Amino acid sequence: GEDVEQSLFLSVREGDSSVINCTYTDSSSTYLYWYKQEPGAGLQLLTYIFSNMDMKQDQRLTVLLNKKDKHLSLRIADTQTGDSAIYFCAEYSGGGADGLTFGKGTHLIIQP
Amino acid sequence: EAGVVQSPRYKIIEKKQPVAFWCNPISGHNTLYWYLQNLGQGPELLIRYENEEAVDDSQLPKDRFSAERLKGVDSTLKIQPAELGDSAVYLCASRKDYQETQYFGPGTRLLVL
Repeated sequence: GEDVEQSLFLSVREGDSSVINCTYTDSSSTYLYWYKQEPGAGLQLLTYIFSNMDMKQDQRLTVLLNKKDKHLSLRIADTQTGDSAIYFCAEYSGGGADGLTFGKGTHLIIQP
Repeated sequence: EAGVVQSPRYKIIEKKQPVAFWCNPISGHNTLYWYLQNLGQGPELLIRYENEEAVDDSQLPKDRFSAERLKGVDSTLKIQPAELGDSAVYLCASRKDYQETQYFGPGTRLLVL
């Protein structure tokens, strides 16, 4: 079945760039997403990329997709304390279930 | 535009009791999803509705879980009887036809004692 892998923790200094990585196994993935979850809250959509793209930029966020290696990354420029959260990578490949397959999430820890 | 609304936000019950969660999707969103999020995990799909029809409920434990979406708008997810292992966050999401993005509600945090 499909699998999405992320490292569990990332620690960065305030003002630096954060790069959160994700690998997936389903070669038929059509869309890949990044969601943010703050403590006690639901999932907030940050950005997504279609599988025929290799890069997407949206303000401080840059998504890179290497479809050959099935590797997705999220770069957050000028990381702020408000960026502290869990970041989930998710993939969508359609089919009967039509749901998203999520990774376990990466806890982004900001050091002052 | 209002987001996905879920209630209650928190629920504490004793094992073997019934519990129900309610979701109101974003207006105009035909597709509704229920996900289960265990502690330290990503969400996992339980069931998907297209309007009032449950298109895929293969991941829903049918011995104790049930769901409905009467009139194709609001949805209710029920557990009867609840077990200790059901303690988790239950997330509802919705999507508009021909769009690729699912929008999530804040979730219901269930604790079974």
